[in-house]
Amino acid sequence: DAGVTQSPTHLIKTRGQQVTLRCSPKSGHDTVSWYQQALGQGPQFIFQYYEEEERQRGNFPDRFSGHQFPNYSSELNVNALLLGDSALYLCASYRGSGNTIYFGEGSWLTVV
Amino acid sequence: AQSVTQPDIHITVSEGASLELRCNYSYGATPYLFWYVQSPGQGLQLLLKYFSGDTLVQGIKGFEAEFKRSQSSFNLRKPSVHWSDAAEYFCAVGSGTGRRALTFGSGTRLQVQP
Repeated sequence: DAGVTQSPTHLIKTRGQQVTLRCSPKSGHDTVSWYQQALGQGPQFIFQYYEEEERQRGNFPDRFSGHQFPNYSSELNVNALLLGDSALYLCASYRGSGNTIYFGEGSWLTVV
Repeated sequence: AQSVTQPDIHITVSEGASLELRCNYSYGATPYLFWYVQSPGQGLQLLLKYFSGDTLVQGIKGFEAEFKRSQSSFNLRKPSVHWSDAAEYFCAVGSGTGRRALTFGSGTRLQVQP
């Protein structure tokens, strides 16, 4: 049983560009959340998707957007990249009624 | 607004010694509390969680944590540390709808001396 899988593992983008990160939740999970973890800090909640809709959002600008597909997989899009967007982006999933939240290995984004 | 404080940025213990990592939270209702561990360059692995019931929670790898409402604390303990426990440890509180939007502390880096 595969856990939460994320792609790509690492990527480098130029300031001002756009990036898309992908996440496949653990089998049986229907809710996906995204977190940003800057170097040396704890993860910060970006948003959460359930039934293909954004359900909750953290304190992140509209440059951060997402999508959830009918198979529960999800994408995180970041537009107009800033140097400060350089971070590890973590995807987490759980089943709606469950209480265990699983994290993927993350996607390392470097903005130069 | 919810918050989590991990007062110790860095802790060093000798292998075989006991460990306690501190976590204090701020949340208006009954909290959902979590401890995660992160090895360098890796994602987060759940050690244990508290939702309700018994305030002493057992987790994986021999870890346990105790929820103390009066102190707003959820400290992580292990009786005997192994070298493989060296990692970053994060405490988190769940909030929002379903209380599964996690607010994390800034983490405690554990170093284990031989």
